Amino acid sequence: LAKTTQPISMDSYEGQEVNITCSHNNIATNDYITWYQQFPSQGPRFIIQGYKTKVTNEVASLFIPADRKSSTLSLPRVSLSDTAVYYCLVAPLDTGRRALTFGSGTRLQVQP
Amino acid sequence: DVKVTQSSRYLVKRTGEKVFLECVQDMDHENMFWYRQDPGLGLRLIYFSYDVKMKEKGDIPEGYSVSREKKERFSLILESASTNQTSMYLCASSTQGADNSPLHFGNGTRLTVT
Repeated sequence: LAKTTQPISMDSYEGQEVNITCSHNNIATNDYITWYQQFPSQGPRFIIQGYKTKVTNEVASLFIPADRKSSTLSLPRVSLSDTAVYYCLVAPLDTGRRALTFGSGTRLQVQP
Repeated sequence: DVKVTQSSRYLVKRTGEKVFLECVQDMDHENMFWYRQDPGLGLRLIYFSYDVKMKEKGDIPEGYSVSREKKERFSLILESASTNQTSMYLCASSTQGADNSPLHFGNGTRLTVT
């Protein structure tokens, strides 16, 4: 499974747009990019997944350039409740009998 | 919605005790996982199972064992708890196949070994 690199932490203020970039230089042709969000004292939860170009849902947008060696999670107009750790994972859509490995993630702190 | 339920939110055990952490999922998922999470180390995979009675070691299996007698239940066992096993333990499940769903996590069990 491809290794990912993302910033350890980021700070923002309420109402700002936050972009978290993840590098995955060794991404394979059949790999998808998935982001998880983890609030304190909870398990991570899936927020968005994509293969190429742009994906948007009610929580976030995911931008993937043509070479797919990086991806950017965009959180529009963050609020205090977006304070969390964000994990980027790269793996085939069908991981079958393999497990996913999480890195240390990016700790986002949103200030008032 | 998929629900992954971990039987205890908090546990306090003594060194040397045998500890059972239970996890149940209600979506008929084939895969189940146990991770531990420690500050600065992210989530580390202990064991996973892709079928009933099947298990695979993860990155840090030492000091742990698992049991999967039924598809919906995956138990993590600390044979003889030690203080370095004080941690947050997270259970997750996922399905197999081309339309693989993402991992679904429980809310964790915070274990303290004294």
